[in-house]
Amino acid sequence: DGGITQSPKYLFRKEGQNVTLSCEQNLNHDAMYWYRQDPGQGLRLIYYSQIVNDFQKGDIAEGYSVSREKKESFPLTVTSAQKNPTAFYLCASSIGSGGGSNEQFFGPGTRLTVL
Amino acid sequence: AQKITQTQPGMFVQEKEAVTLDCTYDTSDPSYGLFWYKQPSSGEMIFLIYQGSYDQQNATEGRYSLNFQKARKSANLVISASQLGDSAMYFCAMREYNMYSGGGADGLTFGKGTHLIIQP
Repeated sequence: DGGITQSPKYLFRKEGQNVTLSCEQNLNHDAMYWYRQDPGQGLRLIYYSQIVNDFQKGDIAEGYSVSREKKESFPLTVTSAQKNPTAFYLCASSIGSGGGSNEQFFGPGTRLTVL
Repeated sequence: AQKITQTQPGMFVQEKEAVTLDCTYDTSDPSYGLFWYKQPSSGEMIFLIYQGSYDQQNATEGRYSLNFQKARKSANLVISASQLGDSAMYFCAMREYNMYSGGGADGLTFGKGTHLIIQP
């Protein structure tokens, strides 16, 4: 089955610790994205990558870092510099640049709680 | 200023009735795309429908249609014959096609969503 996997589904971390969220896709998509969702809110873009070894900051990149060493993988690290990291994190992918809808396909999400 | 505005935080609708979820947007780019996503309680985002700014006709996908009024910057989602399984959060989103980046792979800007509850 083609799709996007995120692990783990639930993640707990102590304040001051860095944590890495996994995102893998087997859709052969060029572009990948990370969004954050807070309760009662829409999604906000953290980082995105249009191609391997390249990525751009989104609207709320402070306190986060990413890498894109492989086409199918786009891990997100939540660093201790992120002031309020408790949230629901969603990874997505799309075909990439070009015409048409290029809709984004989403993974099941990781719910991060800072204790 | 918000780029995507969804003015209905919550809606209750009787099963089998049609539903209209409102979305207005703000952009100065001539080229953009509008999306609707459904988010069930499980959390996963499900793509429903897309409308390009240059599309002449309103988009339709099964029971979903998009009432696109470009001059009013409005992109309302219409769900015909609602079902209990339609109960979920619904998000309107926009991609602006930046001429410098090629546009198609840029991230989406989302509204705050509408919580739709279908009652039997």
